[in-house]
Amino acid sequence: AQTVTQSQPEMSVQEAETVTLSCTYDTSESDYYLFWYKQPPSRQMILVIRQEAYKQQNATENRFSVNFQKAAKSFSLKISDSQLGDAAMYFCAYRSADAGGTSYGKLTFGQGTILTVHP
Amino acid sequence: NAGVTQTPKFRILKIGQSMTLQCTQDMNHNYMYWYRQDPGMGLKLIYYSVGAGITDKGEVPNGYNVSRSTTEDFPLRLELAAPSQTSVYFCASTPWQGTDTQYFGPGTRLTVL
Repeated sequence: AQTVTQSQPEMSVQEAETVTLSCTYDTSESDYYLFWYKQPPSRQMILVIRQEAYKQQNATENRFSVNFQKAAKSFSLKISDSQLGDAAMYFCAYRSADAGGTSYGKLTFGQGTILTVHP
Repeated sequence: NAGVTQTPKFRILKIGQSMTLQCTQDMNHNYMYWYRQDPGMGLKLIYYSVGAGITDKGEVPNGYNVSRSTTEDFPLRLELAAPSQTSVYFCASTPWQGTDTQYFGPGTRLTVL
């Protein structure tokens, strides 16, 4: 079974600065997807960024980028030019890519990291 | 296109009561999921469905039941509510398992007293 670990329960950053959230995972699979979700106080789950394991290039979405280290099973999220609206709980998640297998697209989540942005 | 909708948004139950959490998606997605999120924790899978008439257990199915009579609807039933079921419940869907991301509903906050 896959596991996802976020070792930072809380992080804080000054507005306009950069912050990196850590995530490690454990799997025996070679093909999979990794995600970062943002959960603001409204509790809606919002997809921030998605990485496909077979792609070596790190995914980027505007101010959000990842550092994907497949051999180390590490998947960190970097938020540049932090904004007050970035304050939220961030979840790292794993999904198998085994089409036709038994994972059925299920997501495995880490424990979450609460990000506080100071003005 | 409303995406994934859940009702109710909030609910307080007494111990031993039952209720059904509703989930509907209008994207014609085959795969649907129910997760629970305990305070300060990540989401855990309760049940999932790969299509109408097909459901299976996730990590934490005890105390819950599901049905999937249509592609659109995936209700979650709580029988004999217990304080341990106090949580936020999320429904999610995806078109197929290997190539797309999950779309989440807004969640239902349930308190069992």
